[in-house]
Amino acid sequence: EVQLVESGGHLVQPGGSLRLSCAASGFTFSGNAMGWVRQAPGKGLEWVSGIGSDFKTWYADSVKGRFTISRDNSKNTLYLQMNSLRADDTAVYYCAKDVYRWALDYWGQGTLVTASS
Amino acid sequence: ETVLTQSPATLSLSPGERATLSCRASQSVNNYLAWYQQIPGQPPRLLIYDASNRAAGIPARFSGSGSGTDFTLTISSLEPEDFAVYYCQQCSNWPLTFGGGTRVEIK
Repeated sequence: EVQLVESGGHLVQPGGSLRLSCAASGFTFSGNAMGWVRQAPGKGLEWVSGIGSDFKTWYADSVKGRFTISRDNSKNTLYLQMNSLRADDTAVYYCAKDVYRWALDYWGQGTLVTASS
Repeated sequence: ETVLTQSPATLSLSPGERATLSCRASQSVNNYLAWYQQIPGQPPRLLIYDASNRAAGIPARFSGSGSGTDFTLTISSLEPEDFAVYYCQQCSNWPLTFGGGTRVEIK
């Protein structure tokens, strides 16, 4: 059974940093592209970042230069390093698995990041 | 950036009725479009990828069509569990983008 479990979200002051983790199991992690998608309270979905099985990375313009996606295939874990956090980064962050060309077939339950003073 | 516009914003229908949801892209995404269903408090669920391919385990009442800039998600006969928010996502060009969503509510 495929499982994705996010962790690391909590309250942080604007300008601060957080690292999110996503522990994957039930599939060949190293062979799949992975992504982070966020959802602000009461709002729609927003792509944040993706990483291919070849470690190539992509970012939304809103996070480019502040966030870094990475993966550790030996630990079956996806990461999102978030720096210079802003109030508008407040959202539930979902980790998700790519099935084909960035369509996401499995999602975690999400972790809440709140950037507020 | 490719902007996706979904319409209508809200669709009020009764169980058993047919639902037709639209997604229009600001530029061609070929057939690289996905549809998701989200029930409040839950993560999204993939329904359709490549515009018309049903994801694993998705009932046949869900179907997708279209190519280029105009796409449609059809639910042939609404079941009680289908009342939710639906998002389209283009998978063609980074940055990847989602539409603003269509809420399907019980009339």
